[in-house]
Amino acid sequence: NAGVTQTPKFQVLKTGQSMTLQCAQDMNHNSMYWYRQDPGMGLRLIYYSASEGTTDKGEVPNGYNVSRLNKREFSLRLESAAPSQTSVYFCASITGTGGFQPQHFGDGTRLSIL
Amino acid sequence: AQSVSQHNHHVILSEAASLELGCNYSYGGTVNLFWYVQYPGQHLQLLLKYFSGDPLVKGIKGFEAEFIKSKFSFNLRKPSVQWSDTAEYFCAVTPGYSSASKIIFGSGTRLSIRP
Repeated sequence: NAGVTQTPKFQVLKTGQSMTLQCAQDMNHNSMYWYRQDPGMGLRLIYYSASEGTTDKGEVPNGYNVSRLNKREFSLRLESAAPSQTSVYFCASITGTGGFQPQHFGDGTRLSIL
Repeated sequence: AQSVSQHNHHVILSEAASLELGCNYSYGGTVNLFWYVQYPGQHLQLLLKYFSGDPLVKGIKGFEAEFIKSKFSFNLRKPSVQWSDTAEYFCAVTPGYSSASKIIFGSGTRLSIRP
C-alpha cells in the first residue's frame, strides 16, 4: 500500500521554466491538498480539492495552478517558476473533508529555482 | 488571524531526558489539535490528535499531549527520549467543525537527541 506518492522527489529549474508536480493516492480518499514548507514557516496550503472535479485556493495560491485529474491524482503546476517558489512541496489526502481528520502526506518534492 | 505558535525552534536533549514541546493557538472556539512528526528525509506522520473527550491524549512511540483549554495550549511530552526521536515536530489546529482546508500549522520544532 503506497499511500501518497509524489513525483519527482527533486527538481532544479531555471527562472521562467514551467513544471508540473504529480501526486497520486491509492487510499480512495476524497480530498487532496498541496502545501509548501519553508524554513521557519511550517506548512502553508497552496490549493486543495475537496472532491473530484473541484479545486479551491488556499493561503498561498499565487503562481500556481492545480488539476484534479481524477479521484486518485492531483497535480500542481508552476507556469513560470520564480526563485521565491524554491521550497519543499507536500501533497496530502484525507478520506472526507472534516477538520478532525488527520492528513496522509507524501514524501515531498524538493524544488529549487535558480 | 488565527495562528499556532511553537516557541521552541530547536531543542537539543540527551538520551533519556524528558521532553516537552510547547504549542499555543489563538482560536477561541472548539478546536481539533494535531501533532505531526517529520523524520529526516521523510514525510509528515501523525503522532497524535485531539478533538474531544479526555484532554490527555496518548499517541505512538510513547508520546502524549495535554489539551489545556484555558491556556490555549497542546503541549507534547515524552518522559524519556531516544536518539530515534530526532525529527521535526509540527503542531496543527483546525477550528472545530471546519473543513481540513482551514488547518494551520505551527512553524515546527527541530529536536536533536545526543546519543
